[in-house]
Amino acid sequence: AIQLTQSPSSLSASVGDRVTITCRASQGISSALAWYQQKPGKAPKLLIYDASSLESGVPSRFSGSGSGTDFTLTISSLQPEDFATYYCQQFNSYPLTFGPGTKVDIK
Amino acid sequence: EVQLVESGGGLVQPGGSLRLSCAASGFTFSSYDMHWVRQATGKGLEWVSAIGTAGDTYYPGSVKGRFTISRENAKNSLYLQMNSLRAGDTAVYYCARADDYLDYWGQGTLVTVSS
Repeated sequence: AIQLTQSPSSLSASVGDRVTITCRASQGISSALAWYQQKPGKAPKLLIYDASSLESGVPSRFSGSGSGTDFTLTISSLQPEDFATYYCQQFNSYPLTFGPGTKVDIK
Repeated sequence: EVQLVESGGGLVQPGGSLRLSCAASGFTFSSYDMHWVRQATGKGLEWVSAIGTAGDTYYPGSVKGRFTISRENAKNSLYLQMNSLRAGDTAVYYCARADDYLDYWGQGTLVTVSS
């Protein structure tokens, strides 16, 4: 199975900060990667698919990049509603796998 | 509006069985792959199973042979039959629609495996 690692596992940031989260795959997955945001007690929400495509309705401050094994989610200017946990997921092959998550909280 | 509503969760003893359901609306159910994903309290997301439009099924090793995913397109419904349940299967179970990626999720149903 393809393993995904995320770094950092958590971070503290302030409103307006630029935030970058990294996801690394144990083998190449082309661009078959998605990013999800999850708030406590809620279902995950799709933010980015195909590594860099913004899901409809998601604010443009979110962006994704990368291909192969290294991927990045960037929030250009953190907003209060962005404090949440972020997960990457690979769709290259079964079994599908998620990264362990990155919790973004208020500094 | 796309809606996915899970049901069937509850308390079950180790070794027992449970069947989860997911009622879909607001889209052509038969045209989409569907997935189950679970999340133990305070833990990350774990993919549990998938079923394609042609009925092809996929599982991770942790549930293969114990869980069975199925769909009933005439009823716009997705199911997860869970047998030989273990304490480690305790989690919120989400159904999700796949348009390549998991673009819509239900609110989840809690399964607790305990004696």
